[in-house]
Amino acid sequence: EAGVVQSPRYKIIEKKQPVAFWCNPISGHNTLYWYRQNLGQGPELLIRYENEEAVDDSQLPKDRFSAERLKGVDSTLKIQPAELGDSAVYLCASREDSYNEQFFGPGTRLTVL
Amino acid sequence: GQQLNQSPQSMFIQEGEDVSMNCTSSSIFNTWLWYKQDPGEGPVLLIALYKAGELTSNGRLTAQFGITRKDSFLNISASIPSDVGIYFCAGQSNFGNEKLTFGTGTRLTIIP
Repeated sequence: EAGVVQSPRYKIIEKKQPVAFWCNPISGHNTLYWYRQNLGQGPELLIRYENEEAVDDSQLPKDRFSAERLKGVDSTLKIQPAELGDSAVYLCASREDSYNEQFFGPGTRLTVL
Repeated sequence: GQQLNQSPQSMFIQEGEDVSMNCTSSSIFNTWLWYKQDPGEGPVLLIALYKAGELTSNGRLTAQFGITRKDSFLNISASIPSDVGIYFCAGQSNFGNEKLTFGTGTRLTIIP
């Protein structure tokens, strides 16, 4: 069974440019998470979806970050405009309803110049 | 955002040695989780703990849920080269829906 798929794996952009990350969770996983992992730190939650509903977006910087999961399957996280401090690895994870384990994708490493 | 305190920050050991690391929090958690992250990959769950005082093993890994519910410990016995990586603890207030609060990580390096 395929794991969580993320693309692109790497992205380099100049500051003030927009960027988008895509995540396809494990089939049948209704809960989807976006995390940001700064260098030398553990992941921090940005947003959690239950199907197509964002049920926890309290940590999402809404002035420049947005996310969507229109059909309750794959999801897109967008930053517009990007700032130097947004350089990080953006991880997507998904979870099946009856289990506690979150399965993480490989992440997208963003570098903002 | 909040990050749990994890120590040591890094470890340099020889193959075959045992490893111990711990994680502390100012808040109580009802679930403690331990993850391993390899370079260029996402974290992978190693052990989950759901009860204060619980001691759980997964092969050469043993983890304990602290009795105060504010700490957890991970031990690795007889380390092997594939144990190299970054180990993260994570606390969770409630099963499933609550977000994970991760520690700052312990980087394990095995000296040849």
